[in-house]
Amino acid sequence: DTAVSQTPKYLVTQMGNDKSIKCEQNLGHDTMYWYKQDSKKFLKIMFSYNNKELIINETVPNRFSPKSPDKAHLNLHINSLELGDSAVYFCASSPPEASGRHYNEQFFGPGTRLTVL
Amino acid sequence: DAKTTQPPSMDCAEGRAANLPCNHSTISGNEYVYWYRQIHSQGPQYIIHGLKNNETNEMASLIITEDRKSSTLILPHATLRDTAVYYCIVRVARQGAQKLVFGQGTRLTINP
Repeated sequence: DTAVSQTPKYLVTQMGNDKSIKCEQNLGHDTMYWYKQDSKKFLKIMFSYNNKELIINETVPNRFSPKSPDKAHLNLHINSLELGDSAVYFCASSPPEASGRHYNEQFFGPGTRLTVL
Repeated sequence: DAKTTQPPSMDCAEGRAANLPCNHSTISGNEYVYWYRQIHSQGPQYIIHGLKNNETNEMASLIITEDRKSSTLILPHATLRDTAVYYCIVRVARQGAQKLVFGQGTRLTINP
């Protein structure tokens, strides 16, 4: 199926650990994003990559490091996890101009629920 | 980006049209209106967008007022599966990475 996929779906870990969340899209999109949705359900962008280049970097602690090995993947690595990092993390992608689709039509993955104990 | 205002919640009977309003009184001429929705525990889903003219697709219709200061998303025959939080977002359209700013949205409940 064509989609944005994330692994794992659930992640439970202890404070202080380092963890990674993986995202892959097979839609042929150039741009990928990470969003965070906290317990109050506010959805906020964290990062965006366009053709493996970091474009958007919101005010996010440097414990969070995105890595884009290629256009189809954008992984999120989190060091020294804290209780406040507990949230649902969504990956998204958006199509290139040449696709004919609209720039701001973003396709979201199913989310990764991270719980830090 | 222009700020949007939406009612926090709405109810609609199954089979009826659901009309979701959005105010964006400070919208500028090059900003589009986008609608997304988030069904419980899923990622947001793009619904529709428009600039000036009314738009319709297989999911919904978007009615934008002539002064562009408000818009209405219409789900013509709401089903239980349309229960979700609906987000109205105003944003310029340009190539490359775009930061979508999600507000609180409208929690739409479709009742049987």
